Amino acid sequence: SAVISQKPSRDICQRGTSLTIQCQVDSQVTMMFWYRQQPGQSLTLIATANQGSEATYESGFVIDKFPISRPNLTFSTLTVSNMSPEDSSIYLCSVEAPPGKTQYFGPGTRLLVL
Amino acid sequence: GENVEQHPSTLSVQEGDSAVIKCTYSDSASNYFPWYKQELGKGPQLIIDIRSNVGEKKDQRIAVTLNKTAKHFSLHITETQPEDSAVYFCAPSSNDYKLSFGAGTTVTVRA
Repeated sequence: SAVISQKPSRDICQRGTSLTIQCQVDSQVTMMFWYRQQPGQSLTLIATANQGSEATYESGFVIDKFPISRPNLTFSTLTVSNMSPEDSSIYLCSVEAPPGKTQYFGPGTRLLVL
Repeated sequence: GENVEQHPSTLSVQEGDSAVIKCTYSDSASNYFPWYKQELGKGPQLIIDIRSNVGEKKDQRIAVTLNKTAKHFSLHITETQPEDSAVYFCAPSSNDYKLSFGAGTTVTVRA
């Protein structure tokens, strides 16, 4: 398995501002992912964070709104830009670990936008 | 994309009884079938998974069964305890790395 930490654990932000969420894993991993979980809902994949190249975004998510960095094999950031109340969600990072396809999740960042 | 249905959406059981959650998927290429447990205020925790070359897998009180022909797999929890109360998600995956999450099942174990 992998141990994943996220910062911040929660935040309350004003609309129009941006928040950067950090994800740190305790071992080198190839695949890192960012998910959104809206209140009371399931998980939706935002993007795959690729080391050394641009992130791959899922349908409905764009780089201008959710820029992602992946500077090395243990760290990634997700920025939620120009926030609105509709961005209030839990944001989760996950990593893929052996034996393949197994994904482990961080504790999540709980975001409330006023 | 993968269409995933999870039933029931809520499940209330008496402590000590069994709980069963079923997940139906649409992509016949799916070959990896995990179940996650999410407690309040926490991230999803992988509790058991199965790959397509196996029909059943058990880990203490938890088991997963797979029927590839019918395209469904199920989570079985025996001798339920209050700490089993949580939201459970299935998340089948096909040939790429993506997990397709079901809508979730809220399990409540009554003491």
